[in-house]
Amino acid sequence: KAGVTQTPRYLIKTRGQQVTLSCSPISGHRSVSWYQQTPGQGLQFLFEYFSETQRNKGNFPGRFSGRQFSNSRSEMNVSTLELGDSALYLCASFGGQFQETQYFGPGTRLLVL
Amino acid sequence: GIQVEQSPPDLILQEGANSTLRCNFSDSVNNLQWFHQNPWGQLINLFYIPSGTKQNGRLSATTVATERYSLLYISSSQTTDSGVYFCAVLSSNTGKLIFGQGTTLQVKP
Repeated sequence: KAGVTQTPRYLIKTRGQQVTLSCSPISGHRSVSWYQQTPGQGLQFLFEYFSETQRNKGNFPGRFSGRQFSNSRSEMNVSTLELGDSALYLCASFGGQFQETQYFGPGTRLLVL
Repeated sequence: GIQVEQSPPDLILQEGANSTLRCNFSDSVNNLQWFHQNPWGQLINLFYIPSGTKQNGRLSATTVATERYSLLYISSSQTTDSGVYFCAVLSSNTGKLIFGQGTTLQVKP
């Protein structure tokens, strides 16, 4: 099976712009989670989608949003970018049950100037 | 919420040495995973181990759920083992993995 894919891999934006990141899960997986990794805060949970519905949400401002499509692909959007949004954004894919392995994609590195 | 603590934060070894990484968690969990983050940032699955012991080559892991800790053993370390090792747990009803701060391992030739 192909692994989790994320696009784009690298992105440079300026403050105030918006950005959309994409994640394609492993075939057959119905759940996608998103995480932000920064040197100061470590890995933090953004949100999780299951069957096109947001099932769980982390403690991030409303500028961070996401959605999931019927083919389980997910997108996350960050509006009005701030310098502090510079981070590695990782998505994870799993079948949908919490007691199972979650598989991560290669990530998208976002730099906000 | 659940707290996850990893120790040590940094570890430097000579090639061929063995090491033990520890992960303590503050509440019962139904999912615990160990990851190795490669230099490009991807989290590579090592073990899914909410309880018990597993082995995969030179790596093995043990989770004692009743005492709320997990151990990752690396034997005969190689330079390619260098990187950051994360423990992550998931508690029921939250759907989110809570990560420790990681252990940065450097294996010297």
